[in-house]
Amino acid sequence: EVQLVQSGAEVKKPGESLKISCKGSGYSFTSYWIGWVRQMPGKGLEWMGIIYPGDSDTRYSPSFQGQVTISADKSISTAYLQWSSLKASDTAMYYCARGKDSTTPWHAFDIWGQGTMVTVSS
Amino acid sequence: AIQLTQSPSSLSASVGDRVTITCRASQGISSALAWYQQKPGKAPKLLIYDASSLESGVPSRFSGSGSGTDFTLTISSLQPEDFATYYCQQFNSYLYSFGQGTKLEIK
Repeated sequence: EVQLVQSGAEVKKPGESLKISCKGSGYSFTSYWIGWVRQMPGKGLEWMGIIYPGDSDTRYSPSFQGQVTISADKSISTAYLQWSSLKASDTAMYYCARGKDSTTPWHAFDIWGQGTMVTVSS
Repeated sequence: AIQLTQSPSSLSASVGDRVTITCRASQGISSALAWYQQKPGKAPKLLIYDASSLESGVPSRFSGSGSGTDFTLTISSLQPEDFATYYCQQFNSYLYSFGQGTKLEIK
């Protein structure tokens, strides 16, 4: 079964760092782009960035450039989203998702992780 | 950046109704559009890609159409499990963007 499994919920304080993960299985992890999507409480979907695990080519939304870092470790089929200094406004559900077309970074997301809830509160 | 505007923002309908949701792009995106369904507490689910291609496993009552700037998602006969929020997404430009969502509620 093709799936993405994300790490568990996190509760952090403002200023702390965090790295959440997304592990792929059931397919060639290095051959498909992985995207990250934010959903703030009660709000819509926002694309953050994408990474190609095969060579770590990464593209960011201008809204998130410099705010987060996307990375991948192809040896363990895992992508990451990390923050160096969290803010209360980072409180949200974060989803990873696989690009459907392995030949381009720009396509629909066909497989989604279950989401990781990040809560930042003092 | 390309903006996507969905209409309506919310919609009340009954089981068996035919429902249409519209997504308008701020500039032409060819057929680079997808539709997703999201239920409360769940991840989005891909329904339609390339504007009109039905994702494997998705019931045939879902269909998509359009190209350029105007797109529609149609549910031919609403089922109880279809009550959810629907999002369009464009992948034409070198940035993704999503519509604001359409919440489909039971009348």
